Amino acid sequence: SAVISQKPSRDICQRGTSLTIQCQVDSQVTMMFWYRQQPGQSLTLIATANQGSEATYESGFVIDKFPISRPNLTFSTLTVSNMSPEDSSIYLCSAGLYTEAFFGQGTRLTVV
Amino acid sequence: SQQGEEDPQALSIQEGENATMNCSYKTSINNLQWYRQNSGRGLVHLILIRSNEREKHSGRLRVTLDTSKKSSSLLITASRAADTASYFCATDDFGNEKLTFGTGTRLTIIP
Repeated sequence: SAVISQKPSRDICQRGTSLTIQCQVDSQVTMMFWYRQQPGQSLTLIATANQGSEATYESGFVIDKFPISRPNLTFSTLTVSNMSPEDSSIYLCSAGLYTEAFFGQGTRLTVV
Repeated sequence: SQQGEEDPQALSIQEGENATMNCSYKTSINNLQWYRQNSGRGLVHLILIRSNEREKHSGRLRVTLDTSKKSSSLLITASRAADTASYFCATDDFGNEKLTFGTGTRLTIIP
């Protein structure tokens, strides 16, 4: 199993600013994933982060808006840049171990 | 979109009753998983069923899979107030660990 620590757990930010979310895994994992969950909706994958390479973004998400770092096998960050109220969501990081995925507790972001 | 559909979207039952949620997906899968989410927090893995399995049990959970119909169901027996949560099915992408989540069922157990 894996334990993922995600922070901050919540934040209220001004539009036009940026927020960086951190995820720390207690074991080494090859891939980490970042999801967005808009209010009352399901999870949508933003990008897949591999250590040592650029993240792979899903359709509708771009690196300029959601830059991701993956400096080692236990850590990743997601930045939400130039925020607008439409970015208000829960952001979740995840690490897969083939038979199941483990999730951080999520970051509840409100943009005002 | 590859996202699956779940029904019902919301379900309210009395404590002690059984709850059944259904999931349909669109593409061939390697396995299908069910997750629980409490109050917009992180997801917790409940159970995985492989494409060559038809039924699987874990405690009060029973999952079925019909690959010909591209559908799965999750049955929670003898429900408890603590089962109140959102439940999501998720299918994998062959060759990697990327998951595609269904739309989710919001389950409320009435004490």
